Amino acid sequence: DTGVSQDPRHKITKRGQNVTFRCDPISEHNRLYWYRQTLGQGPEFLTYFQNEAQLEKSRLLSDRFSAERPKGSFSTLEIQRTEQGDSAMYLCASSPREAGGVDEQFFGPGTRLTVL
Amino acid sequence: AQKVTQAQTEISVVEKEDVTLDCVYETRDTTYYLFWYKQPPSGELVFLIRRNSFDEQNEISGRYSWNFQKSTSSFNFTITASQVVDSAVYFCALSTTSGTYKYIFGTGTRLKVLA
Repeated sequence: DTGVSQDPRHKITKRGQNVTFRCDPISEHNRLYWYRQTLGQGPEFLTYFQNEAQLEKSRLLSDRFSAERPKGSFSTLEIQRTEQGDSAMYLCASSPREAGGVDEQFFGPGTRLTVL
Repeated sequence: AQKVTQAQTEISVVEKEDVTLDCVYETRDTTYYLFWYKQPPSGELVFLIRRNSFDEQNEISGRYSWNFQKSTSSFNFTITASQVVDSAVYFCALSTTSGTYKYIFGTGTRLKVLA
């Protein structure tokens, strides 16, 4: 069990460019979450997948953001036409599905995005 | 609405002192879960504890202990005999079984343990 991995760890881009991040969850986990964390704040929920189905999107996820989880394995988060306000740490987490309960989420190391 | 409040932004203690981190939550759900995570300078969130709303027993794990009180909607975290390695940002989070089990995080408390 290698844990949740994210790639890249750091991304610097110019305003207006598109960026894509990848998350590989723990292999047997069917729940996958994306969060965004800005300096001095706690992580904020962006979106949730159960297997390949995207079941919830936060209002923080504007039309410039899109996420996918093909085949219920890895997930990608794309930001189009980046803005300086998108600069943040993007965290991916996964958890197994516990019937009727809530398991702890296992977090990846995050992708730090800087938009110049 | 669901909310988690960590009123202490930053706490500094001297090594070996005990320290308590406060967490107050709001939810209308009767079934919910509370969590504590540690975020060291490396940045990766590390799970510490999960507690469900039906289990009010306090828990101790080594130097760590947690006090869950539904009457005051609090889930406080105490580190006994703090060590420099405890220096990190600590987050309290809330999740319910209605919906997608997403976490609602507090703003975190930065703990600095001085040698």
